[in-house]
Amino acid sequence: GAGVSQSPRYKVAKRGQDVALRCDPISGHVSLFWYQQALGQGPEFLTYFQNEAQLDKSGLPSDRFFAERPEGSVSTLKIQRTQQEDSAVYLCASQSSSVLKETQYFGPGTRLLVL
Amino acid sequence: GENVEQHPSTLSVQEGDSAVIKCTYSDSASNYFPWYKQELGKRPQLIIDIRSNVGEKKDQRIAVTLNKTAKHFSLHITETQPEDSAVYFCANSDDYKLSFGAGTTVTVRA
Repeated sequence: GAGVSQSPRYKVAKRGQDVALRCDPISGHVSLFWYQQALGQGPEFLTYFQNEAQLDKSGLPSDRFFAERPEGSVSTLKIQRTQQEDSAVYLCASQSSSVLKETQYFGPGTRLLVL
Repeated sequence: GENVEQHPSTLSVQEGDSAVIKCTYSDSASNYFPWYKQELGKRPQLIIDIRSNVGEKKDQRIAVTLNKTAKHFSLHITETQPEDSAVYFCANSDDYKLSFGAGTTVTVRA
């Protein structure tokens, strides 16, 4: 079946510009995660949704970062007034349930470059 | 993440030899330990995972061992093949979010 998809795959933004990154999880998956992966590093947790509820946003770097999942399916990560340090790959992952220790399936990521 | 240290950062092996990657963690509440493989420009893909109620798990050429007392776990790849070349990440979790190591770049020489 279809896996997790993300769009756009690549985004170049000028410093100060707002961007919106989209994640389409596997159909029916309850849990959705956003991670940020800097070059040469492992993914770092940003935020977690269970259905439409954002249960944890402790990893968001600043109040310029905002995520939503209004209908419990597609999610959008928005970054306002982008800065150069926001350049990274943003990964979305989904999980079939809220049960602990279930597999997280990752999307291909959106590579954001802020100039 | 800060919780997980991964070594080595790069590993070059001859085709057919074994590769071993080690991770240590600090959160004693961790109870889930997955390993992901990420090829250049691709998504991370789960290759094996282990839960805290077992010490070892094997899937064909891949095995993972866990020592909860020492807080470390390892990935073993036997009979390496060129397609095993990739970046491998260990991770752990005590609830829902994963904490990842910095990754090991594995190169299998033909």
